[in-house]
Amino acid sequence: QQQVKQSPQSLIVQKGGISIINCAYENTAFDYFPWYQQFPGKGPALLIAIRPDVSEKKEGRFTISFNKSAKQFSLHIMDSQPGDSATYFCAASYPQGGKLIFGQGTELSVKP
Amino acid sequence: GAVVSQHPSWVICKSGTSVKIECRSLDFQATTMFWYRQFPKQSLMLMATSNEGSKATYAQGVEKDKFLINHASLTLSTLTVTSAHPEDSSFYICSATRDSLDAEQYFGPGTRLTVT
Repeated sequence: QQQVKQSPQSLIVQKGGISIINCAYENTAFDYFPWYQQFPGKGPALLIAIRPDVSEKKEGRFTISFNKSAKQFSLHIMDSQPGDSATYFCAASYPQGGKLIFGQGTELSVKP
Repeated sequence: GAVVSQHPSWVICKSGTSVKIECRSLDFQATTMFWYRQFPKQSLMLMATSNEGSKATYAQGVEKDKFLINHASLTLSTLTVTSAHPEDSSFYICSATRDSLDAEQYFGPGTRLTVT
């Protein structure tokens, strides 16, 4: 059973634009929602993460918006740059350091 | 801080042989380590969770006799793929947590396994 659904599968954005990736989850027991960035042939790297008691978190050009009632969260990349071109994964985990459940991934391409 | 390394970064082996992949936490003690497998253009799939000194917990559908996991110390976990077959060719990634209550996982750079 797919517990974290991510969309879109791929995204093309012009340099300077806003990239938006969405995720929806099913299990209300999840309490940690990270976003990872992965370049080809590399391991994923944590970008930003949020807990359900916060509706928004911003770090530099990256913002997570969290809607607990809708069980959805999204990543916004402001002023997107070609160097942001990568695959992005949302994830969710259970309390107390439980396993991560990953979304399907979004391949982002930022055109110069 | 919180650096995780993997060795080797890539390996080619013949069908029927075994290959060992190491995962090390370089600057922290990892209470829990995780092993993931990732096929091209796909997401990360959890294979197993391991805690130092205890048996690994395998995800549903993962053969524990084929994918042997040893977590001998707080800084080292190994994954051994036994009797490898071409369908085992994949990108294997480990991660580690610093604290049993810490949700953040620190990922290694991955190991590309090709079975010929």
